[in-house]
Amino acid sequence: GNSVTQMEGPVTLSEEAFLTINCTYTATGYPSLFWYVQYPGEGLQLLLKATKADDKGSNKGFEATYRKETTSFHLEKGSVQVSDSAVYFCALRLPGGYQKVTFGIGTKLQVIP
Amino acid sequence: GAVVSQHPSRVICKSGTSVKIECRSLDFQATTMFWYRQFPKQSLMLMATSNEGSKATYEQGVEKDKFLINHASLTLSTLTVTSAHPEDSSFYICSAWDRTQETQYFGPGTRLLVL
Repeated sequence: GNSVTQMEGPVTLSEEAFLTINCTYTATGYPSLFWYVQYPGEGLQLLLKATKADDKGSNKGFEATYRKETTSFHLEKGSVQVSDSAVYFCALRLPGGYQKVTFGIGTKLQVIP
Repeated sequence: GAVVSQHPSRVICKSGTSVKIECRSLDFQATTMFWYRQFPKQSLMLMATSNEGSKATYEQGVEKDKFLINHASLTLSTLTVTSAHPEDSSFYICSAWDRTQETQYFGPGTRLLVL
């Protein structure tokens, strides 16, 4: 079946530090990959996505590259801010009209001043 | 980006009553919507897939008679928690599939507290 594995955290970083949150996946097919962010008390927001191998998704300074050879989609940011504190979910979806999104467990990021 | 709204954002009800939560896609048509439940410090658990004009598809272990889903139009899906009990207290999140963007957009969530 399909699955997404990501580090559980929490990850605590100082402001302006470099961030990496690892994500690997298993899928029967060629999925689209996503990173969603959830701020405290809120729903999920799409952060970035990539739909095919070697695609790089980017938004708000965050980046992730779809690596088919390593089945990975690691999230990176060069310099985190306190406002980036949130839970980050890696997810995949196979193509097709009624396919479900499979989520990882979520990684809590806490950035301290 | 596309917007999905949920109403209400927060609801408190007495045990035994029913609660309806609405999910709307505001600027796109969604033939498919999803309902999730999120427990504290956990990931999202898919409850059901809501298809416009047809019956919802429930995940294993989710009681369809307790969690009634109606997808009456291309922009609206509703989840009704019937005869709610304290163990139904949770954060319920809906999402809608935008096929033109090939992306699933999420609502802000509804926090349900059953007393």
